[in-house]
Amino acid sequence: ETGVTQSPTHLIKTRGQQVTLRCSSQSGHNTVSWYQQALGQGPQFIFQYYREEENGRGNFPPRFSGLQFPNYSSELNVNALELDDSALYLCASSRGTGSSSPLHFGNGTRLTVT
Amino acid sequence: QQQVKQSPQSLIVQKGGISIINCAYENTAFDYFPWYQQFPGKGPALLIAIRPDVSEKKEGRFTISFNKSAKQFSLHIMDSQPGDSATYFCAASSGSARQLTFGSGTQLTVLP
Repeated sequence: ETGVTQSPTHLIKTRGQQVTLRCSSQSGHNTVSWYQQALGQGPQFIFQYYREEENGRGNFPPRFSGLQFPNYSSELNVNALELDDSALYLCASSRGTGSSSPLHFGNGTRLTVT
Repeated sequence: QQQVKQSPQSLIVQKGGISIINCAYENTAFDYFPWYQQFPGKGPALLIAIRPDVSEKKEGRFTISFNKSAKQFSLHIMDSQPGDSATYFCAASSGSARQLTFGSGTQLTVLP
């Protein structure tokens, strides 16, 4: 069983640029959630995708957007990067959205904005 | 009201000892309380989870104690081992989106 894979593992961008992060969900999982983890903090929910539609969003501005593809993989796009966007971005997949569907996290993409 | 408060921030325990991490929440709509373990350079991994209809759940050396009236829950790691050294996060969620609200984390160090 293949776990959640994220790419790239590390990325350096300049303030104002745009970035796309990618996630392949675990086999058999149809739901993808994205989290932002600042250094020394717990992850913060960005949004979730289920059946290619956004199914819940945290307190993040519209410049954070996402997509889910028919094969359940997903992208996180961030426009107009700010220094505070520097963080570890985590993707998590699950089989469905209910409480009986634990989240399985990837190892994240470390984004540095200079 | 969405916060989950976690303590302590860091914890040092001798090998074989008991590690205890505490969390408190305000949102009474939360109905799922997982604990995650995170090693450096890795994503969080689910350790154990509990629902508010039970007061305790045990899996191996890991036990969650849940106090619904106090809106508190805790993780106990029995016979702590150096391999348990990691950052532990409590979390809580409600609703169909399964949006997890995480605590701020506890860095556990188990001395050999």
